[in-house]
Amino acid sequence: QLQLQESGPGLVKPSETLSLTCTVSGGSITSSPYFWGWIRQPPGKGLEWIGSLSYSGNVHYSPSLKSQVTISVDTSRNQFSLKMYSVTAADTAVYYCARRNTGWQAFDFWGQGTMVSVSS
Amino acid sequence: QSVLTQPPSASGTPGQRVTISCSGSSSNIGTTPVNWYQQLPGTAPKLLIYNNSQRPSGVPDRFSGSKSGTSASLAISGLQSEDEANYYCASWVDSLNDLLVGGGTKLTVL
Repeated sequence: QLQLQESGPGLVKPSETLSLTCTVSGGSITSSPYFWGWIRQPPGKGLEWIGSLSYSGNVHYSPSLKSQVTISVDTSRNQFSLKMYSVTAADTAVYYCARRNTGWQAFDFWGQGTMVSVSS
Repeated sequence: QSVLTQPPSASGTPGQRVTISCSGSSSNIGTTPVNWYQQLPGTAPKLLIYNNSQRPSGVPDRFSGSKSGTSASLAISGLQSEDEANYYCASWVDSLNDLLVGGGTKLTVL
């Protein structure tokens, strides 16, 4: 069974860089027809898509976050990562990694999520 | 404020049928498939409906989706207490490179 697991610091200081990694197990990150993505959810609020990428590095970002984030893939480790720069308190959220099934155009497998707080 | 508009809340009693709406525009719902996600309290979202009306394996047929023009709906029949959750609609912008998510609807089972 496919599993995704987010990892990274739970606390980041304002203006610093948030770095998260998603480890995929039970399947290969290079399998088709899948992209891999990040979605976040501020406390008590709705879901916000951050971006998605393919194992070959084809990346799509949310227009509202494009200037602030980088998503990358490491096929040797079956992982993909998120970097968010110059964070503020508004970036405090649960961050989920998920698999985008491009045949369905939907996120069909999700990690459990990791809470990241931005605070000094 | 989300581009996809959902009612913030909905409710029903056990056994009832409830529907949740999702309104968009010609550049999203009018052009691309709609997905629905269920988020139980304290858990990650789960894909409930994809491609407007398809259910992934394991999703009960009490859940159904439909789309007409620039709007979509999720229907839950035979409402159960375990259906109490937040429900989100999602649709890609017509380029398929930007995902829009509705603000979510909190379903309460009375």
